[in-house]
This record gives sequence, C-alpha cells and structure tokens, in this order.
Amino acid sequence: GAVVSQHPSRVICKSGTSVKIECRSLDFQATTMFWYRQFPKQSLMLMATSNEGSKATYEQGVEKDKFLINHASLTLSTLTVTSAHPEDSSFYICSASTGGLGGYTFGSGTRLTVV
Amino acid sequence: AQTVTQSQPEMSVQEAETVTLSCTYDTSESNYYLFWYKQPPSRQMILVIRQEAYKQQNATENRFSVNFQKAAKSFSLKISDSQLGDTAMYFCASTQNSGNTPLVFGKGTRLSVIA
Repeated sequence: GAVVSQHPSRVICKSGTSVKIECRSLDFQATTMFWYRQFPKQSLMLMATSNEGSKATYEQGVEKDKFLINHASLTLSTLTVTSAHPEDSSFYICSASTGGLGGYTFGSGTRLTVV
Repeated sequence: AQTVTQSQPEMSVQEAETVTLSCTYDTSESNYYLFWYKQPPSRQMILVIRQEAYKQQNATENRFSVNFQKAAKSFSLKISDSQLGDTAMYFCASTQNSGNTPLVFGKGTRLSVIA
C-alpha cells in the first residue's frame, strides 16, 4: 500500500531556531499533502493544504510565516517551523493524497519539543 | 463546513465483547466520504474503515463494521470480538471529496480493551 515516510520522528530544538519536517511519499505521487497538528489527548487540527507546485493554503489562525510549507515535487513536502517557541511544541502529522478514491495515507508523525 | 461529533470521550470493553463507538456529522454536500481511524499509542494513524455516502450498504472490514444512517447523519463503528490490540484512540472523520480535500476529524474516543 501507499506509504508516507515522515522524518524526523522526534526533534528537540532551542527556542528561536528553525526545524524542518519532511514527508516523502515512497511508492506513489502525492498531488496533495495535508499538515496537521495534534496536542496531547486531542484531535488532529488541520494547519494547511499544499498542492505540488503551488502555494499552500493555510487554515485560519495558522501563521504562514511561522509554518513554511513547501511541496516542490510529487514525492516531497516539507514543513519548516521558523523561530520556534515553546508553544510550538506539539505533534505534527502529514497526510498525503493521491487524489483518487484511495483516500489518505498518514506519516508517522513528528514530536517537536522546543526548549 | 463539515463538522464531526464524537460524544464518547472514553469507553471500555471486555476482551472478546462487542463495542460501538458513536459518531455524528453535518455536511451540506450531497457526496461525501466517512472514515474511522485508529491511533494507537505509537500515534500512527491507521485506517479502520471507509464509507462512501452514496453507497447504502454498510462497510465491513473483518471485525469492524459501521452503521451508516444517512438521514440521521450517523456513522457508528462496531468492533466485534474486541482484542487487546484494539486499545487506541478512534477518530471519526469526513471529507467531501476523497483525496482532494482534507479530513475533518471528531475529537476522538479513547477505547480501552480490558483482559
């Protein structure tokens, strides 16, 4: 089946630095990628939708200058958390779509801790 | 806008017994898709079952089945012969076009299977 590889699985960074999270579709072309954030014991909250070759669409309340999303190819999408602060600490999950009835495949998630 | 409601924050079931998780949704779309996802402690999102709204027949996947009541906008998940490995968070989700639009998730139900 379709696999999305997400890296890193865990990252600890200092406040003020930037962190990049990568999601790669290994055996299919991901035309659309969705980025979610999940706080402990809560549901997944959509941050943005990206389509290959175009700018991402951000949900209301999500700072596009802080959460930079790049979807430069059909197999790679990245989320960069810029100037990270402790409140950015969270679990980030990507989800790829092939655009068909196959639905959605999720990455394994990245636990970001900002100290 | 679509909304998904899960009214049971936590549930427990004895091993080998049957449990039903509730989900209601609201949408103005005529065609849409409904999903149940499982998130075990590893936090990997795993598709449990999928239902296309235009199909009247309830979806079934081994021990998992749904009761899809379109008029009532209800989409409950039944787990038969519960196993310890079923212990997880379960999220109900919907989308208007499978693949091209993001999933909207409910708040989740934490299911504990007790030996």
